[in-house]
Amino acid sequence: IAGITQAPTSQILAAGRRMTLRCTQDMRHNAMYWYRQDLGLGLRLIHYSNTAGTTGKGEVPDGYSVSRANTDDFPLTLASAVPSQTSVYFCASSEGDDTGELFFGEGSRLTVL
Amino acid sequence: GQNIDQPTEMTATEGAIVQINCTYQTSGFNGLFWYQQHAGEAPTFLSYNVLDGLEEKGRFSSFLSRSKGYSYLLLKELQMKDSASYLCAVRDGDYKLSFGAGTTVTVRA
Repeated sequence: IAGITQAPTSQILAAGRRMTLRCTQDMRHNAMYWYRQDLGLGLRLIHYSNTAGTTGKGEVPDGYSVSRANTDDFPLTLASAVPSQTSVYFCASSEGDDTGELFFGEGSRLTVL
Repeated sequence: GQNIDQPTEMTATEGAIVQINCTYQTSGFNGLFWYQQHAGEAPTFLSYNVLDGLEEKGRFSSFLSRSKGYSYLLLKELQMKDSASYLCAVRDGDYKLSFGAGTTVTVRA
């Protein structure tokens, strides 16, 4: 059972470069999310998608973009990376039902130099 | 956004009980969640409360008071494997989930 797969697991990136973090789920969940996790700040929502074809902005969307062309994939793109985007990024999905339980990927550790 | 407060760190002895408090202020409310996150791993779901009261699940219980904007997670019969970060999360009126900074629990022998 794969659940949610994120790639890459870890990446070091030069400032100004473009980077796409990939996220794929095989649970046919409607809703998907991208969070970043920084020490002392917890998980902060970057972007979300309630269903294929729709996306929305979370708490910290600046510098990031997403797309949701189909149910399974939800890539996160940094158009021009900056050092403040150094973080651990988690993709998550949920069925969108009342319980709202989130299933998380294993995370992508990104370092921008 | 939401204001979600929980203690940064707690330490307890194996076999003991620990209570992690969480207070929140939110625009609309559609449930409170607790997640467990071991170091270097992804968060995993522990509990969900949408109505006032206590939800018990094995050694873990979660309590909610909506009028007070307050929840706690109770961990009983602590085991070494319970050493982790515990995240309080609130779902707002738009069904978006916001997380507190997390409470790191250290269980000592």
